[in-house]
Amino acid sequence: GAVVSQHPSRVICKSGTSVKIECRSLDFQATTMFWYRQFPKQSLMLMATSNEGSKATYEQGVEKDKFLINHASLTLSTLTVTSAHPEDSSFYICSARSSGGDADYGYTFGSGTRLTVV
Amino acid sequence: AQSVTQPDIHITVSEGASLELRCNYSYGATPYLFWYVQSPGQGLQLLLKYFSGDTLVQGIKGFEAEFKRSQSSFNLRKPSVHWSDAAEYFCAVGAPAAGNKLTFGGGTRVLVKP
Repeated sequence: GAVVSQHPSRVICKSGTSVKIECRSLDFQATTMFWYRQFPKQSLMLMATSNEGSKATYEQGVEKDKFLINHASLTLSTLTVTSAHPEDSSFYICSARSSGGDADYGYTFGSGTRLTVV
Repeated sequence: AQSVTQPDIHITVSEGASLELRCNYSYGATPYLFWYVQSPGQGLQLLLKYFSGDTLVQGIKGFEAEFKRSQSSFNLRKPSVHWSDAAEYFCAVGAPAAGNKLTFGGGTRVLVKP
């Protein structure tokens, strides 16, 4: 089945530094990738949608200059948290959607990245 | 815009008992509906999905869900729960008319008593 690899699984960084999270589709081409943020014991909140080769579309309230998303290939999307602050500490999850039609309207999720900013 | 409501934040069930998780959605067109399960510190695993056709959908791990358009519901059921079913469960609606975004419900945490 479809597999999405997300790295790192955990990262601790100092306040003011930047952190990059990678999301790779291992056995399918992901024309669209989604980035979510999840606070403890809460649901997933969509941050942005990225389509290969074009600029990401950010949800309202998400700072695009802080959360840089790149989707340079059909198998890789990255989320860079720039100038991280403690309030950016969270669980970040990516999801990739294959380029199939309605019969394959599937989303595969990565295993998530726990970011802690100290 | 689409929305999803999971009325139950927590459910405690005894091992071997049946389980039903409620999900209500709001969407202006035919919805694509999903149920996912999340273990602590992990990503999401798809249990089942509904696109069209038979309104009773079978999924993995013995789960099933029934789409009821008249009630805007997509409740998840399992006849007999196992201790390993303790997890967080999310219902989601997919919106083809909105960039194929998934909107998630707030989740239901399932605790299984021995």
